[in-house]
Amino acid sequence: EMQLVESGGGLVQPGGSLRLSCAASGFTFSSYWMMWVRQAPGKGLEWVANIKEDGSEKKYVDSVKGRFTISRDNPKNSLYLQMNSLRAEDTAVYYCAKFKRGEDAFDMWGQGTMVTVSS
Amino acid sequence: DIQMTQSPSTLSASVGDRVTITCRASQSISSRLAWYQQKPGKAPKLLIYKASSLENAVPSRFSGSGSGTDFTLTISSLQPDDFATYYCQQYNRYWTFGQGTKVDVK
Repeated sequence: EMQLVESGGGLVQPGGSLRLSCAASGFTFSSYWMMWVRQAPGKGLEWVANIKEDGSEKKYVDSVKGRFTISRDNPKNSLYLQMNSLRAEDTAVYYCAKFKRGEDAFDMWGQGTMVTVSS
Repeated sequence: DIQMTQSPSTLSASVGDRVTITCRASQSISSRLAWYQQKPGKAPKLLIYKASSLENAVPSRFSGSGSGTDFTLTISSLQPDDFATYYCQQYNRYWTFGQGTKVDVK
C-alpha cells in the first residue's frame, strides 16, 4: 500500500525551529518530485516547497524563502522540511504529497502534522 | 502570482442534486488545473487533473471542464459521501489553490 506518514510537528515559540519528516512507502520514492503543503486552521491550502527526484532543484513560496529548507534522503525514502525563524503565521497542518507522474498535480497525501507557533 | 477564485464559497444542496463549482484563474493556465476534495480532519484527495481527466477510482459522477481561465467541477448527482470542501489548483506556474467551496446539506 502506498503511504506517506508525516511526523515532527508540535508547539514551538516564535523564532524557534522545527524539523518535519515524511516517511514514504509502497512506491519508488526516488522517482517522484515531492512537496510540502500547509493549511492554517480553518483556512485553505498553500503550497510551501517542492524538491526534484534527485534533490537538485528546489522551489519555495515567497513567504518561507530563507527560513525553510526542503530536503530528501532517497535511500531512506524520506522527505524533510527544516523550519527556522518560525512565526505565528506558520501555524498550520503540514502535509507532504507526491506529484502525479506526467502531471504537476498532487495524487497522494500524508495525514498531516500540526505545527503551532505560539509563546 | 496566479490567483484562483472559486465560487460560490458555500453551496447548500440535497442528495441527488446536480452541483457545479466554478474556478477562475487570474491569467491563462491552459488546462493545468486540478480539483481536490477535502473532508474535515483529512488530507485532500485528487479528483480531476488536466482540467477534465478523472483520477483513478474517482466516481464518474465527478467531471471537470474548461481551459484558459475558466473552469468548472460538476457532480452529476450528489451522494452523501460528497458533502465536503472542494479546491481548485493551478499548476501552470508554481502551485496555487482556490479558497475552497464547502458543499453542505440543504
